[in-house]
Amino acid sequence: QVQLVQSGAEVKKPGASVKVSCKTSGYTFTNHDIHWVRQATGQGLEWMGWMNPKSGHTGFPQNFQGRVTITRDTSITTAFMELSSLTSEDTAVYYCARGRGYYDTVDYWGQGTRVTVSS
Amino acid sequence: QSVLTQPPSASGSPGQVVTISCSGSSSNIGSNNVNWFQQLPGTAPKLLIYSTDLRPSGVPERFSASKSGTSASLAISGLQSEDEADYYCAAWDDSLNGPVFGGGTKLTVL
Repeated sequence: QVQLVQSGAEVKKPGASVKVSCKTSGYTFTNHDIHWVRQATGQGLEWMGWMNPKSGHTGFPQNFQGRVTITRDTSITTAFMELSSLTSEDTAVYYCARGRGYYDTVDYWGQGTRVTVSS
Repeated sequence: QSVLTQPPSASGSPGQVVTISCSGSSSNIGSNNVNWFQQLPGTAPKLLIYSTDLRPSGVPERFSASKSGTSASLAISGLQSEDEADYYCAAWDDSLNGPVFGGGTKLTVL
């Protein structure tokens, strides 16, 4: 069965960076994009960017351009999301999710990684 | 604020039908499939409806969805207490070149 398993919770200081991993299994890693979505407590879902695991090509919304890096290691079918210059407003649960296909959203989600930014 | 607009809350009694709306634009709902997600408290979202009106295996037939123009809706019939959750609509946005989500609707079963 399709699974996306993320790394554990993180606590970071303002100005630091955080890197979250997303280990996938149960499907061909290079056949589906990986998206990253975050959710602040009590808030909705916010898309952060996507990556094509085959090519490594990425795309980001303007508000995350330059602050988010998405990479992958195809040998271990794992994607990574690094967010830099953290502020308290980045405190949220971060999810990776598998893309459904062209001009579509996502289907399977990771369990989420809580990132807390606090001095 | 979210690109897709949903009512913040909805409610119904057990056995009733509840409908949740999702309003977008020509660059998202108007030109692409709509997906719906159910998020139970403390868990990750789960795909509930894909390709506008299709249910993944395991999702009860009580859940149905449709789309008209730049709006979509999710209907839950025979409401059950276990349906109490947050529901999100989503669609690819051609202008953003990425997925956009609704702000979520918190469903309360009275």
